[in-house]
Amino acid sequence: GAGVSQSPSNKVTEKGKDVELRCDPISGHTALYWYRQSLGQGLEFLIYFQGNSAPDKSGLPSDRFSAERTGGSVSTLTIQRTQQEDSAVYLCASPNYEGGPYNSPLHFGNGTRLTVT
Amino acid sequence: AQSVTQLGSHVSVSEGALVLLRCNYSSSVPPYLFWYVQYPNQGLQLLLKYTSAATLVKGINGFEAEFKKSETSFHLTKPSAHMSDAAEYFCAVRKGSQGNLIFGKGTKLSVKP
Repeated sequence: GAGVSQSPSNKVTEKGKDVELRCDPISGHTALYWYRQSLGQGLEFLIYFQGNSAPDKSGLPSDRFSAERTGGSVSTLTIQRTQQEDSAVYLCASPNYEGGPYNSPLHFGNGTRLTVT
Repeated sequence: AQSVTQLGSHVSVSEGALVLLRCNYSSSVPPYLFWYVQYPNQGLQLLLKYTSAATLVKGINGFEAEFKKSETSFHLTKPSAHMSDAAEYFCAVRKGSQGNLIFGKGTKLSVKP
């Protein structure tokens, strides 16, 4: 597609429920990132996929969080047994590797605003 | 390990005044540095990036940033603020060979008429 697409744009869920957030990166982009944006916390790295390599999961805050990337394209971030502190905007991004992998900018989706009540 | 620190979570300037948003980085290798901007109710977009080709980098909307290795800084400036510059600005550094970007906590810029 023309840009990074995320769905849903908004999700309200009850504490304890599981949620799935979807990201459809720019076609052909082999790398994909998930970030979380909370008020006053900036952008918190969650997980990074690069091609067929093992993902960098070092940013996942707990074992309730997991992510998959099927077929090297669409990614799903799953949060199990949601807690109120999980409320945030979850952003997906992919780089276009213009000029090389180290200085390529990220193209962000518009995010999913998750509210846990 | 790479990291960035943005000094000041909120900066307020008058329209027409100089904008200065501070970013200091920590990196064990030559860094790749970026500034992103997030306008209200919009996604993040790239403002400019440092690629080691030049220490003074020009970005969109009249913004520029200067890489100063001796000060480990990459401050963002604009000579004259416009109302439309009101947004949140994020500094970021590339982490290692995997390409992960580490972001600062952001600075919210307000522009007063």
